[in-house]
Amino acid sequence: DVKVTQSSRYLVKRTGEKVFLECVQDMDHENMFWYRQDPGLGLRLIYFSYDVKMKEKGDIPEGYSVSREKKERFSLILESASTNQTSMYLCASSLPTGNKDYGYTFGSGTRLTVV
Amino acid sequence: SQKIEQNSEALNIQEGKTATLTCNYTNYSPAYLQWYRQDPGRGPVFLLLIRENEKEKRKERLKVTFDTTLKQSLFHITASQPADSATYLCALVPVFTGGGNKLTFGTGTQLKVEL
Repeated sequence: DVKVTQSSRYLVKRTGEKVFLECVQDMDHENMFWYRQDPGLGLRLIYFSYDVKMKEKGDIPEGYSVSREKKERFSLILESASTNQTSMYLCASSLPTGNKDYGYTFGSGTRLTVV
Repeated sequence: SQKIEQNSEALNIQEGKTATLTCNYTNYSPAYLQWYRQDPGRGPVFLLLIRENEKEKRKERLKVTFDTTLKQSLFHITASQPADSATYLCALVPVFTGGGNKLTFGTGTQLKVEL
């Protein structure tokens, strides 16, 4: 069964900590994405990558960075966690545009609480 | 500004009836539109994709229509079952962006199917 695996389901971190969220996919997908999901705001794109070592900013990149050293792994980094980054974080992967009728495959999410 | 709008009020229907969910968008010219299902505390799961030159797409009890003149997609679940209860998200790709097919999501509509 194809999968996107996020390293933690729940995380609690302190304000100012550096936080790493890890995501691994086993489908050999070129594209990977990080979203956050908040009530009433839906999913908002933070960063995405369409190739190893490539990254592009999404709609809300401030306070975040990403790393993609290997095709299967896409890491989200909160440089200095703040309480307004408390959220559900969702990683996804996909084939490039135009590949038949494939959508995104999402991980189960990481619920991050910053205290 | 660009918007994707889904009814924020929950839709309650009786088992066996057809559920119809609406997705409206403004200031987009989407290359294609997707529908996802999301259960509480989980990542979204891809259901269907419909392209701008397609009027209708079906998959088992699911049907999606896409009217680029009205800027609207309708998502139908026929013979609904309690197991269909979930939040349904629509998402679109604004334009083809080469390798990176980043999706923009609506906030979702919660469907409750009652016995």
